Amino acid sequence: KAGVTQTPRYLIKTRGQQVTLSCSPISGHRSVSWYQQTPGQGLQFLFEYFSETQRNKGNFPGRFSGRQFSNSRSEMNVSTLELGDSALYLCASSLADRDTEAFFGQGTRLTVV
Amino acid sequence: GESVGLHLPTLSVQEGDNSIINCAYSNSASDYFIWYKQESGKGPQFIIDIRSNMDKRQGQRVTVLLNKTVKHLSLQIAATQPGDSAVYFCAENPDNYGQNFVFGPGTRLSVLP
Repeated sequence: KAGVTQTPRYLIKTRGQQVTLSCSPISGHRSVSWYQQTPGQGLQFLFEYFSETQRNKGNFPGRFSGRQFSNSRSEMNVSTLELGDSALYLCASSLADRDTEAFFGQGTRLTVV
Repeated sequence: GESVGLHLPTLSVQEGDNSIINCAYSNSASDYFIWYKQESGKGPQFIIDIRSNMDKRQGQRVTVLLNKTVKHLSLQIAATQPGDSAVYFCAENPDNYGQNFVFGPGTRLSVLP
């Protein structure tokens, strides 16, 4: 059974640009969550999608957005990139709607220069 | 605000000894907790979970203890092996709706030969 797949693995962007990251959840999983991981702030929740609807949102500016498709694949977008957006972006998928194991992908390492 | 914190940022143990990693959580309404292990260059890996209606849960070489009175969570690893060296995170789900995990800052476990 394939795990959570995130693409690309590494990305370098320039300040002011926008970026789209992709996440393919484990087959059958309907919940997809996104997290940002930095040395200073640790793992922080961005948002969660369930059945194509954003169900939860963390405390991030509107430059961070996401969506989920009918096949549960998800994308997140960051517009007008800032140096502080450099981080490891992690996607996690879950089978049920809440309080179940969340499985993470290997993440996308975004560097903003 | 809601937070999950760890008492020790680093922990060194001798190979073969037992390890105990602690975590304090602040939201008494949280009813689901997960321990994750993260190795360098990888996403967090699910270790074990526990629901608030339980005090203890055992897995293979790992035990999670939950003390709701003092809002404390611990992970015990028996017969610690070199492959256990990693950063360990506890995570709580404080919402009654969705998969929105709050992570602790993490504890780095080093296993000494």
